[in-house]
Amino acid sequence: DTEVTQTPKHLVMGMTNKKSLKCEQHMGHRAMYWYKQKAKKPPELMFVYSYEKLSINESVPSRFSPECPNSSLLNLHLHALQPEDSALYLCASSHQAHRTDEAFFGQGTRLTVV
Amino acid sequence: GQQLNQSPQSMFIQEGEDVSMNCTSSSIFNTWLWYKQDPGEGPVLLIALYKAGELTSNGRLTAQFGITRKDSFLNISASIPSDVGIYFCAGYSGGGADGLTFGKGTHLIIQP
Repeated sequence: DTEVTQTPKHLVMGMTNKKSLKCEQHMGHRAMYWYKQKAKKPPELMFVYSYEKLSINESVPSRFSPECPNSSLLNLHLHALQPEDSALYLCASSHQAHRTDEAFFGQGTRLTVV
Repeated sequence: GQQLNQSPQSMFIQEGEDVSMNCTSSSIFNTWLWYKQDPGEGPVLLIALYKAGELTSNGRLTAQFGITRKDSFLNISASIPSDVGIYFCAGYSGGGADGLTFGKGTHLIIQP
């Protein structure tokens, strides 16, 4: 099983809304990631969690707030987003962070900010 | 930061043709990964390469990790319509790697 599950698949939210994206994996991976992808561009790293601790924040604005409740779950809390934040948000996991390892991606959440 | 130069940016080919794309970097990578992404979906891992010089196949796909550790190529033989999509190379540089570095992608279009 190499499945990373993301919910919801699509999300439309206003600039004053608060919403959360969810990600789940049951492969026993201890590293989980959030990436942002704009149309026709490669994924861009946002956050890295290693053993449930935030290890890397790639200078992401505070309106994006990650959370790792346990080793299988990763959330991304959204508040006061801007229209330019509309993108495909991808979750990924790998055995460990800071290792040369395969990363498996979820299907993504297509976020539209209106 | 590190960059991966992926080429070509797009390819228009006939069904049945072979395809070749590559990625190069100015710095060394310890792992090369090749992903395929369909519209609205997440990237799907095709092949992972871990050793310089390694040549790995997955069905009609073949990929190689360059000897210099600064490049990799992906070949697709006898293309079929479902091969359409965007192919990304990605790499880990190691030593406290901060996630994957991605190439800009190769958009494969197959003409009937």
